[in-house]
Amino acid sequence: GGIITQTPKFLIGQEGQKLTLKCQQNFNHDTMYWYRQDSGKGLRLIYYSITENDLQKGDLSEGYDASREKKSSFSLTVTSAQKNEMAVFLCASSSWTGGDERLFFGHGTKLSVL
Amino acid sequence: SQLAEENSWALSVHEGESVTVNCSYKTSITALQWYRQKSGKGPAQLILIRSNEREKRNGRLRATLDTSSQSSSLSITATRCEDTAVYFCAPNSNNRIFFGDGTQLVVKP
Repeated sequence: GGIITQTPKFLIGQEGQKLTLKCQQNFNHDTMYWYRQDSGKGLRLIYYSITENDLQKGDLSEGYDASREKKSSFSLTVTSAQKNEMAVFLCASSSWTGGDERLFFGHGTKLSVL
Repeated sequence: SQLAEENSWALSVHEGESVTVNCSYKTSITALQWYRQKSGKGPAQLILIRSNEREKRNGRLRATLDTSSQSSSLSITATRCEDTAVYFCAPNSNNRIFFGDGTQLVVKP
């Protein structure tokens, strides 16, 4: 089995600050995703990457940058944190090979902006 | 507007009863997955049903798919307290997986 590790678990930022969230996976999966989850809501896709150095925008990419420098890691940057913003950011990976389209998720990074 | 939507915000049953969560979606799909998310954790896949399948079973779980009406259901039999979670349907389309807002299921002792 593998694991998705997200760091940090909790992130407190100031309005206007640039914040970076990191994700590592040891499944050797090609595709990685960043989702945002607001309280009581579903997951909205921010960015995904189908291979190293590839980036694809999701439905919520405005205000975010992403980077996939290695197959095993995918980072997300909040370019300018919004006051009172509070959400959980979930990283996931998937192989999409052999008909296996499962997403494996990390535990999330909880963001609060003061 | 969302591409996937569960039809109930919340459901409550007693342990041992059966329950069904329904979902509708608005995109062409290659498959549809059901996920469960427990408090403080990421979602975990329960079942995947392909677009050419009508029904899929996995233990106490049964998923159905109707591509003509773009709808799916997840039934859980003999529910247990540990089934308490938020349930999401997640249609697959072109390497993208979309999530609805989920149905909160509470299983009471």
